Amino acid sequence: NAGVTQTPKFRILKIGQSMTLQCTQDMNHNYMYWYRQDPGMGLKLIYYSVGAGITDKGEVPNGYNVSRSTTEDFPLRLELAAPSQTSVYFCASSYSGVSSTDTQYFGPGTRLTVL
Amino acid sequence: AQSVSQHNHHVILSEAASLELGCNYSYGGTVNLFWYVQYPGQHLQLLLKYFSGDPLVKGIKGFEAEFIKSTFSFNLRKPSVQWSDTAEYFCAVNRGTYKYIFGTGTRLKVLA
Repeated sequence: NAGVTQTPKFRILKIGQSMTLQCTQDMNHNYMYWYRQDPGMGLKLIYYSVGAGITDKGEVPNGYNVSRSTTEDFPLRLELAAPSQTSVYFCASSYSGVSSTDTQYFGPGTRLTVL
Repeated sequence: AQSVSQHNHHVILSEAASLELGCNYSYGGTVNLFWYVQYPGQHLQLLLKYFSGDPLVKGIKGFEAEFIKSTFSFNLRKPSVQWSDTAEYFCAVNRGTYKYIFGTGTRLKVLA
């Protein structure tokens, strides 16, 4: 299993540009998450999904959109990039999210800079 | 507001020193507690987790953590650190749902 994969690893955007961060997992997990990690701020949940076709906002959803058309994929879309979106973005997945045996698995991250 | 606090932002230790990283959360009721580690250039990996039972939890690479309900704490410990433990450590909490709340992280540097 590849686990959780993310592309691209790095990206530089100009203000106002748009892009999609890709996330794929091959563990047949129902739950998927997008976090951003800012220095000294820990991880903040952007959006999450509990299954194909179902998504919901996390703590910091403004400026982002997501979709979940398949169990495997959970892309994150930035429509109008702003400098405040400069961050490292992590995708994660888990089987159920609530079981005592459940664990979140993280992807390697995408480092995004908006200039 | 509900939160997870990690009081030590940066810790520098020599090899073989003992480690204790603090984590406090502000939720009442039942919680699930986690410690994740992020080695330089790598993604987050689970070190250990507590859901119920014995409050002393053992994880990978010789790490352990103790859940103390009365002080809302879940401190991470290791008796003797190695240079390879240099990493950022994150405490996280969930309340039996799929929403995890992460602390701000502690950067550990171990000097050889």
